Amino acid sequence: DAKTTQPTSMDCAEGRAANLPCNHSTISGNEYVYWYRQIHSQGPQYIIHGLKNNETNEMASLIITEDRKSSTLILPHATLRDTAVYYCIVRVVDRDKIIFGKGTRLHILP
Amino acid sequence: GAVVSQHPSWVICKSGTSVKIECRSLDFQATTMFWYRQFPKQSLMLMATSNEGSKATYEQGVEKDKFLINHASLTLSTLTVTSAHPEDSSFYICSATDRGRGSSGNTIYFGEGSWLTVV
Repeated sequence: DAKTTQPTSMDCAEGRAANLPCNHSTISGNEYVYWYRQIHSQGPQYIIHGLKNNETNEMASLIITEDRKSSTLILPHATLRDTAVYYCIVRVVDRDKIIFGKGTRLHILP
Repeated sequence: GAVVSQHPSWVICKSGTSVKIECRSLDFQATTMFWYRQFPKQSLMLMATSNEGSKATYEQGVEKDKFLINHASLTLSTLTVTSAHPEDSSFYICSATDRGRGSSGNTIYFGEGSWLTVV
């Protein structure tokens, strides 16, 4: 699977949009971009995924660049409960083995 | 609600004893599940792939005789830490893929995790 690069940590003010970037410059055509987050002492939580089109659900929006080499996860109105480590992962649909990077530690500031 | 469930959420055991952690897919079948371990302030480390009806596949450096994995049914995988030592104290997490939820991408779901403390 392609490697991803994320900033180690980010801060965001409560109520503002949190934009978390991810670089995946070696992504293959059949690899999806997935985002998970892990709140302290819990298992990773699925947020959103996409192939090439932008996606939105009740939790977040995913913006994938046209060349698919990077993406941005957007939490539109961050709350304190969004404080977590966010992982960007790329994988082929039928390959379930995930190797986690270090993710981005997002701090929401009151 | 949770689609992958682990039990117990936390367990304390004495050194030298064995402890079993269960991972269940609640409303889907999973021929493959994965086990991860996570130490404080570190990322998840893949330990092994649990295969229904066959032997587990272990990642390099993970002792298969110490971390016994059994995947006896399509909804249950178990991880048994044998002869536990304090250094085995960690957060253990499982995952499973739901291939029947309609959307492309076959989402992987993770359990809530199990804290193991060996004293």
